[in-house]
Amino acid sequence: QLRLQESGPGLVKPSETLSLICTVSGGSINHRSYYWGWMRQSPGSGLEWIGNILYTGRTDSQSSLWNRVTISIDTSKNQFSLKLNSVTAADTAVYYCVRIWRYLEDWGPGALVTVSS
Amino acid sequence: EIVLTQSPATLSLSPGERATLSCRASQSISTYLGWYQQKPGQAPRLLIYDASNRATGIPARFSGSGSGTDFTLIISSLEPEDFALYFCQERSSWPHITFGQGTRLE
Repeated sequence: QLRLQESGPGLVKPSETLSLICTVSGGSINHRSYYWGWMRQSPGSGLEWIGNILYTGRTDSQSSLWNRVTISIDTSKNQFSLKLNSVTAADTAVYYCVRIWRYLEDWGPGALVTVSS
Repeated sequence: EIVLTQSPATLSLSPGERATLSCRASQSISTYLGWYQQKPGQAPRLLIYDASNRATGIPARFSGSGSGTDFTLIISSLEPEDFALYFCQERSSWPHITFGQGTRLE
């Protein structure tokens, strides 16, 4: 069974860069049919799509975040990552990594990232 | 940009009752709609894909319908574990993804 796990700092200072890694186990990230995505959920709020990446390295991201977001993939480590720069308190959220095949099929448990000085 | 509007925001029912949740798209999305359930402290879980297909392991009391702009998730007889947050999500503008704001079933 495929499992995803987010990892990274839980506290980031304003104006700095949020960095998260998603480690995939139980299957290969190098799969031509799957996209790998990042979603987030602010406290008490709904879900927001951040962006996706394919094993080829092709990325797509939310237009409101595109100039701050970098998503990359490391097939040798079965990992993909998220970097969000110039963070503010509005970026405080639970961040989820997700396997996408038509729909969001498998989710990591989520990682709470708080932006605060 | 497609906007998904879910209603009601909160639905108050009792176990054994029937729940009807709505998701309306700002423009036609064919049947490219999914429904997710999220319990407190957990990640969302896919319930329904392509508007009416149950995902693997989802009980038969969950059903989805609709096409175009109007979609419905029905839980035929509520179990205690069904009280949660429900989201709809569209993929007609793939690889871009849009979520509804959610319906809380309490």
